[in-house]
Amino acid sequence: QKEVEQNSGPLSVPEGAIASLNCTYSDRGSQSFFWYRQYSGKSPELIMSIYSNGDKEDGRFTAQLNKASQYVSLLIRDSQPSDSATYLCAVKTSYDKVIFGPGTSLSVIP
Amino acid sequence: EADIYQTPRYLVIGTGKKITLECSQTMGHDKMYWYQQDPGMELHLIHYSYGVNSTEKGDLSSESTVSRIRTEHFPLTLESARPSHTSQYLCASTKGLGGEQFFGPGTRLTVL
Repeated sequence: QKEVEQNSGPLSVPEGAIASLNCTYSDRGSQSFFWYRQYSGKSPELIMSIYSNGDKEDGRFTAQLNKASQYVSLLIRDSQPSDSATYLCAVKTSYDKVIFGPGTSLSVIP
Repeated sequence: EADIYQTPRYLVIGTGKKITLECSQTMGHDKMYWYQQDPGMELHLIHYSYGVNSTEKGDLSSESTVSRIRTEHFPLTLESARPSHTSQYLCASTKGLGGEQFFGPGTRLTVL
């Protein structure tokens, strides 16, 4: 079992819809969670950090964390074609390592 | 705004050449990382450093070596490049106990 897993893609949503990206992790002691966006041929860019259970909103992005279920998600509201990218979940483990998930490819169809 | 730089951005070289990929950051971050990523594939950690004179191998076996003589500089060296080294190499850094990594623009290496 991988330490950080993400829902397999590619994920396709129509423009204006909500895109839901999911991530699970194995280290129960993990405290910090991150979402990165990576456009094709570019480097990852940090878009959200979340540390406490519940929701954290930033514009059209909402990160949700449930430590009991070891689950973190990213919702993108009003999806735009410019949101088409690979989204990487990253978890800072209890042993101070940041582990990246394999990524989920999102395609927003105009 | 993260300030982390990588040079060269693109490199095409022949088999057997020695190369050094440069990574510098101006943010005073103590932790730095090198990742290897093939197109459409996962990030693989190949080296990391938690400070000056500290270097560790990552999860993916790599024939490269790194050094950390100055806080801001974390170069990666391949003594003898091979076609299997063709990939994108990404450098990242983190400040203190934080887990937020800031990435450089990457070096796309092609070994013929």
